[in-house]
Amino acid sequence: GQQLNQSPQSMFIQEGEDVSMNCTSSSIFNTWLWYKQDPGEGPVLLIALYKAGELTSNGRLTAQFGITRKDSFLNISASIPSDVGIYFCAGYYFGNEKLTFGTGTRLTIIP
Amino acid sequence: GAGVSQSPSNKVTEKGKDVELRCDPISGHTALYWYRQRLGQGLEFLIYFQGNSAPDKSGLPSDRFSAERTGESVSTLTIQRTQQEDSAVYLCASSLARGRGYTFGSGTRLTVV
Repeated sequence: GQQLNQSPQSMFIQEGEDVSMNCTSSSIFNTWLWYKQDPGEGPVLLIALYKAGELTSNGRLTAQFGITRKDSFLNISASIPSDVGIYFCAGYYFGNEKLTFGTGTRLTIIP
Repeated sequence: GAGVSQSPSNKVTEKGKDVELRCDPISGHTALYWYRQRLGQGLEFLIYFQGNSAPDKSGLPSDRFSAERTGESVSTLTIQRTQQEDSAVYLCASSLARGRGYTFGSGTRLTVV
C-alpha cells in the first residue's frame, strides 16, 4: 500500500526560527493535507493542496504540492510558542479512498 | 453542528467487555472516516463511509471491530470483547466530498483495563 515518509521526526528550535518539514511517498497522490495535533485533541487541518505544483499560504504557514505528486513540504516562518505540537502530512488518492497519514513531526520550542 | 462531535470523550472498560463509540459528523458531509491512534503514534485507518456506498472496511484489525453509519448521519464504532491492545484514541473525521479537507473530532480515549 501507499506509505508516507515524514521528516524530520522531531525538531527543537528557538522561538522566531523558521521551520521546514516534508513528506515523500512511494506513489502519487491527488491531494496533500497538512494537520497539526495538540495533546488530547484531534488533528486540525492547516493547509489543503489539490494540484501538483500548487503553493499555498495560511498566515505564517506555506505548503507546496510537489510537481511529481509524490512529495509535499510545510514551512513555518518566525515560530511562536503556540506552534508547538505534532504536524502530520496526509495524502489522498482517488480510487484508494483512504487518507494516508505520515508518521508526524514533533515540534518543540526551546526557551 | 459546527464540528465533528465524538462521544464519550473518555471510556475505561474492563477486558472482555463490548464498547460503542459514537461520531456525529458535520451536517451534509458525505464522507466519514474512523482512525485509531495509539499513544505517541500516527493515525491508523480503520473504516471509510461514502454516502450510501458499501463501506471500505479494509483497515479493521479484526472481526471484533465493526462500524455502522445510516445514510450521511451518525456513525458508531463497536469493539467486541475488548483487549488491552485496543487501548488508543479513536478519531472520527468527516468531509464534504471525496479528497477534500477532512475535519476531525477530538476523539474518544479508550482504556482497557
